[in-house]
Amino acid sequence: GESVGLHLPTLSVQEGDNSIINCAYSNSASDYFIWYKQESGKGPQFIIDIRSNMDKRQGQRVTVLLNKTVKHLSLQIAATQPGDSAVYFCAGIGSARQLTFGSGTQLTVLP
Amino acid sequence: SQTIHQWPATLVQPVGSPLSLECTVEGTSNPNLYWYRQAAGRGLQLLFYSVGIGQISSEVPQNLSASRPQDRQFILSSKKLLLSDSGFYLCAWSFGQGNGYTFGSGTRLTVV
Repeated sequence: GESVGLHLPTLSVQEGDNSIINCAYSNSASDYFIWYKQESGKGPQFIIDIRSNMDKRQGQRVTVLLNKTVKHLSLQIAATQPGDSAVYFCAGIGSARQLTFGSGTQLTVLP
Repeated sequence: SQTIHQWPATLVQPVGSPLSLECTVEGTSNPNLYWYRQAAGRGLQLLFYSVGIGQISSEVPQNLSASRPQDRQFILSSKKLLLSDSGFYLCAWSFGQGNGYTFGSGTRLTVV
């Protein structure tokens, strides 16, 4: 079956440093990916998305990179701030046309 | 703009009691609707999805059911709650298939 997973369950970074959160997927037919941010007790919030015809997309302080060859994507957060502390999920849409979520990475920003 | 409403925010129910969680979407027509559960860990488990009124697909056999009585209303129900039904329940919507999902604020259900 299809799977979307994350490499690390937790990540700690110093405030002001850049954060990189990684994700792998199994289905080569996956053509759309989204990164979500979930703060404690809240619903997941859309951060940035990317389609398979692109390998990079930038937003405000965030960049998503997609490597279809190795079926890997990453979320880069520049100048990480305390408000960035949350659980980050990658999600992908594959042949079933449903969004499959990874298990999440808890990002902790250290002062 | 589209908005999604989910209530209640928190709920404490005794084992064996019924459950009804409601989700509504505003500002769009014929959305795809989804119910997810998030247990003690961080993963999101898809429970049900609906592509139209009265059309419900179940992803995981369980003690829960879903209904879509109106285009923009999605209800999650149980006749008798189990302790294992405790969790964080999330409703979401999307434009058709192959597009991103927008999530509601969630309901924290504790079965005691």
